[in-house]
Amino acid sequence: GNSVTQMEGPVTLSEEAFLTINCTYTATGYPSLFWYVQYPGEGLQLLLKATKADDKGSNKGFEATYRKETTSFHLEKGSVQVSDSAVYFCNVSGTYKYIFGTGTRLKVLA
Amino acid sequence: DTAVSQTPKYLVTQMGNDKSIKCEQNLGHDTMYWYKQDSKKFLKIMFSYNNKELIINETVPNRFSPKSPDKAHLNLHINSLELGDSAVYFCASRPGQAYGYTFGSGTRLTVV
Repeated sequence: GNSVTQMEGPVTLSEEAFLTINCTYTATGYPSLFWYVQYPGEGLQLLLKATKADDKGSNKGFEATYRKETTSFHLEKGSVQVSDSAVYFCNVSGTYKYIFGTGTRLKVLA
Repeated sequence: DTAVSQTPKYLVTQMGNDKSIKCEQNLGHDTMYWYKQDSKKFLKIMFSYNNKELIINETVPNRFSPKSPDKAHLNLHINSLELGDSAVYFCASRPGQAYGYTFGSGTRLTVV
């Protein structure tokens, strides 16, 4: 069946450190891939997306590349800030696919 | 001018009661959703409507009944509430599967 696997958190980093949050998926066809961010007490917000193989989504310094050969969509940021502390969700979307990863909590220390 | 608005934001109620959560979107999106987020932040789809027509009903107890009077509104009615229904319920909408969701701010339901 379809699934999304995200790395377990929490991830704790110092400010200006490099961030990687891994996401791999299993799905048939050509799904669209998304990352969302959830700040405490709020709904999820779309962070970035990629709709076909080798597409790179980017927003607010975050990037992720749609890798069909490895079925991955890892989230990266070169230099995290305290304000990036939140829960991040990977999402696979397509025909009959509405699956979110389990979420990875990121804590950035000043 | 909130894009997806849900009410109420908090709901505390006793077991056995019936309650409703309302959702409205002003984005013109054709498809609306209800998601349930548990205490471990796990998100699971419950229902989806496309232009007032039910297209997803994911193994949800029939105590939960969605209603979409028009494509801008999707309400969730829950009968005979149980302790296990305690969670945060999110409404969302999007124009199509290749587009991201716009989520509401959530309704925290606590059943006591």
